[in-house]
Amino acid sequence: DAKTTQPPSMDCAEGRAANLPCNHSTISGNEYVYWYRQIHSQGPQYIIHGLKNNETNEMASLIITEDRKSSTLILPHATLRDTAVYYCIVRVAPGNQFYFGTGTSLTVIP
Amino acid sequence: DTGVSQDPRHKITKRGQNVTFRCDPISEHNRLYWYRQTLGQGPEFLTYFQNEAQLEKSRLLSDRFSAERPKGSFSTLEIQRTEQGDSAMYLCASSFEQGSVGELFFGEGSRLTVL
Repeated sequence: DAKTTQPPSMDCAEGRAANLPCNHSTISGNEYVYWYRQIHSQGPQYIIHGLKNNETNEMASLIITEDRKSSTLILPHATLRDTAVYYCIVRVAPGNQFYFGTGTSLTVIP
Repeated sequence: DTGVSQDPRHKITKRGQNVTFRCDPISEHNRLYWYRQTLGQGPEFLTYFQNEAQLEKSRLLSDRFSAERPKGSFSTLEIQRTEQGDSAMYLCASSFEQGSVGELFFGEGSRLTVL
């Protein structure tokens, strides 16, 4: 079952950085942190994942604390299209199923 | 389009009828997953396949639910004697995993409404 805790909702001004937190205090040494997002009525979309080090791709940055008990997804310049539900997931890799929680509903405000 | 495709996108049925959903994964992907999502909730895991083998089933998958992936390619999810509580979005996802980190690619889902 879900091993992460996320705030249910957040707002962010358009053009500003959106910082979405996730707590995963029971994470094991071989579990990765994944982030997905789901725009209304669409299937979830992969954003980024990491194990220990911070990661960056064209969509976002992932900052994982040194003790790995929490992480932050950063959308550097939020746009209205980033309004979605964001899910933080921990998973052993190669592993089994991904467990989704209820995520954070991010609203980007014009 | 080479993404995950699901069919039908929408299905309305009467209680007690059987329904079947089909999922075509990305062609080289060896894993295929089924999830169910109800309004306001995150996707809930139902089952997954590694090639043609069904490796895990959630307790959410009652005896009325059956999933197959006969040739390790497409998959079907059948719900027998549908109930109103089965109304949900059924999501399929696929990934390639072989000793490496796999990411899930989701289809757009099949929305079921049981009247």
